[in-house]
Amino acid sequence: AQSVAQPEDQVNVAEGNPLTVKCTYSVSGNPYLFWYVQYPNRGLQFLLKYITGDNLVKGSYGFEAEFNKSQTSFHLKKPSALVSDSALYFCAVRATGGGNKLTFGTGTQLKVEL
Amino acid sequence: EPEVTQTPSHQVTQMGQEVILRCVPISNHLYFYWYRQILGQKVEFLVSFYNNEISEKSEIFDDQFSVERPDGSNFTLKIRSTKLEDSAMYFCASSEVGNYGYTFGSGTRLTVV
Repeated sequence: AQSVAQPEDQVNVAEGNPLTVKCTYSVSGNPYLFWYVQYPNRGLQFLLKYITGDNLVKGSYGFEAEFNKSQTSFHLKKPSALVSDSALYFCAVRATGGGNKLTFGTGTQLKVEL
Repeated sequence: EPEVTQTPSHQVTQMGQEVILRCVPISNHLYFYWYRQILGQKVEFLVSFYNNEISEKSEIFDDQFSVERPDGSNFTLKIRSTKLEDSAMYFCASSEVGNYGYTFGSGTRLTVV
């Protein structure tokens, strides 16, 4: 069975400071990893994905994530947070060769303050 | 940029009634999915659909649920007899063969009263 853990329900950061939203996963075989963002009363917007290749993945809106196989982690990062980044962030995993379903974490509420 | 379209955005129904949630996936995508998110909880997989049949389903997707692709563009989720605990945001998603990205719709908020 595949699973995702997002250990922090909420992350608070000051605007202009770097942010990190943590994600660890468990899956049989190699993982496909994703980050999605959800603004209030909106759908899930794709941020970035790791399929293969470079461990550092760059995505939309200046976000990036680093795949760490030994630590089974895929933390989301941004060098300089904006107030407009405040939203709910979901990490998701899909196993290779095991169907197409995504398994999501419980989400992390990011709050960026002035 | 292509979008997945879901209608309605919000539906209120009485317990025991049937509801149909509608989705128009991206036109060249061949995999279709339904997920749901109960308020304040994580997004959960319900079902995936490929080549006109269910390819995978979760334990949540019991006999009360069904999916259909009635024509070349729509993908529907039917809940036959709604329960209070079916109240959730339902997301449709689609993906294309060989691409590992999924595009989600903006969701239908279902409220069962």
